[in-house]
Amino acid sequence: QKEVEQNSGPLSVPEGAIASLNCTYSDRGSQSFFWYRQYSGKSPELIMFIYSNGDKEDGRFTAQLNKASQYVSLLIRDSQPSDSATYLCAVKASGGSYIPTFGRGTSLIVHP
Amino acid sequence: GAVVSQHPSWVICKSGTSVKIECRSLDFQATTMFWYRQFPKQSLMLMATSNEGSKATYEQGVEKDKFLINHASLTLSTLTVTSAHPEDSSFYICSARDSGTSGINEQFFGPGTRLTVL
Repeated sequence: QKEVEQNSGPLSVPEGAIASLNCTYSDRGSQSFFWYRQYSGKSPELIMFIYSNGDKEDGRFTAQLNKASQYVSLLIRDSQPSDSATYLCAVKASGGSYIPTFGRGTSLIVHP
Repeated sequence: GAVVSQHPSWVICKSGTSVKIECRSLDFQATTMFWYRQFPKQSLMLMATSNEGSKATYEQGVEKDKFLINHASLTLSTLTVTSAHPEDSSFYICSARDSGTSGINEQFFGPGTRLTVL
């Protein structure tokens, strides 16, 4: 069974700090990795996706992928209170299926 | 990005009644849509994959006779919760994949429907 694990948190960081969110997955054949942000009572919105080992940066967000260790992380620089949300990691296996498996999400609280 | 709408955004119904939720892709065609359910503090749980013009594919443990899915066109899928009970109260979210893209297979999520069964 494919599993995606995240620490539920909450992760609390001060405004301006770097928030680090981690995700591990069990399917070694996984190919695509997504980070979604979900505000309370709202549906998820895609922040970033990454396919290759290494770092991928987009504004204040950096996704890091290490396939050998089977983990993917999301760094948020200069955290803002508006970043407070639940961050969902989603992993898609190789092959024809385009249905990702979602983790339970990590709650992030950025306090002023 | 592509837009997916859901209607209604929230609904309250009595136990035993049926509720229909619509999911529409507004500016793209979606041969495949997905229905998720999310309980408080829990992750998204895929209920079923809705395929245009054919039967939906249900995940293990999801009752197909209780959660009726109809994907009648390339832009509309409906989920009907039949004989709803309080334990069906949840946040139902649909997503759609743009059939015209061959890129990252991104799913576009609708805003969700909060169902409360009294």
